[in-house]
Amino acid sequence: GNSVTQMEGPVTLSEEAFLTINCTYTATGYPSLFWYVQYPGEGLQLLLKATKADDKGSNKGFEATYRKETTSFHLEKGSVQVSDSAVYFCALTDSSYKLIFGSGTRLLVRP
Amino acid sequence: DTEVTQTPKHLVMGMTNKKSLKCEQHMGHRAMYWYKQKAKKPPELMFVYSYEKLSINESVPSRFSPECPNSSLLNLHLHALQPEDSALYLCASSQILAGGGETQYFGPGTRLLVL
Repeated sequence: GNSVTQMEGPVTLSEEAFLTINCTYTATGYPSLFWYVQYPGEGLQLLLKATKADDKGSNKGFEATYRKETTSFHLEKGSVQVSDSAVYFCALTDSSYKLIFGSGTRLLVRP
Repeated sequence: DTEVTQTPKHLVMGMTNKKSLKCEQHMGHRAMYWYKQKAKKPPELMFVYSYEKLSINESVPSRFSPECPNSSLLNLHLHALQPEDSALYLCASSQILAGGGETQYFGPGTRLLVL
């Protein structure tokens, strides 16, 4: 079945550091890929998405590229801020309405 | 506008109470979802409605009863819950696309505590 694997957290960085959160997936067919962010005490917000191979999703300085050859969708940001501290979920969906989530990665950015 | 609203924001209920969670969207989406999220875990799908009809029930206990009165509203009726049902309940909505791959937009959630 379809699945998503994310790097274990927490990830702790200093402000202005470079961020990478690894995400790999297993899926049949051509899934759409997503990154969602959850700030403390809130619901999930769509951060970015990509719907086909080599697509790059980007938003608020975050980027991720759909790599079919490595089945990956790693999240990157060049310079993190304290306000980026949150839990980040990688997810995929196919044709079944089901959104398959990774386990989530907690990011803590220190001033 | 990609807003999904949920009420109430917080809910405390006893195991004999009956309560309802409400969700609303005005994006013209024809699929709506209920998820349950426990602390430090990803959301778990409970129910999916497409075109106001229940299309997926992930073997959820009958003490949770979903309802979709119209294309904008989704309710979750709660009765005789257990303390382990305490969680964040998230509503989401999406378009319905022929090839799948829809983007789901989430509400802020209702934080439920069952005593």
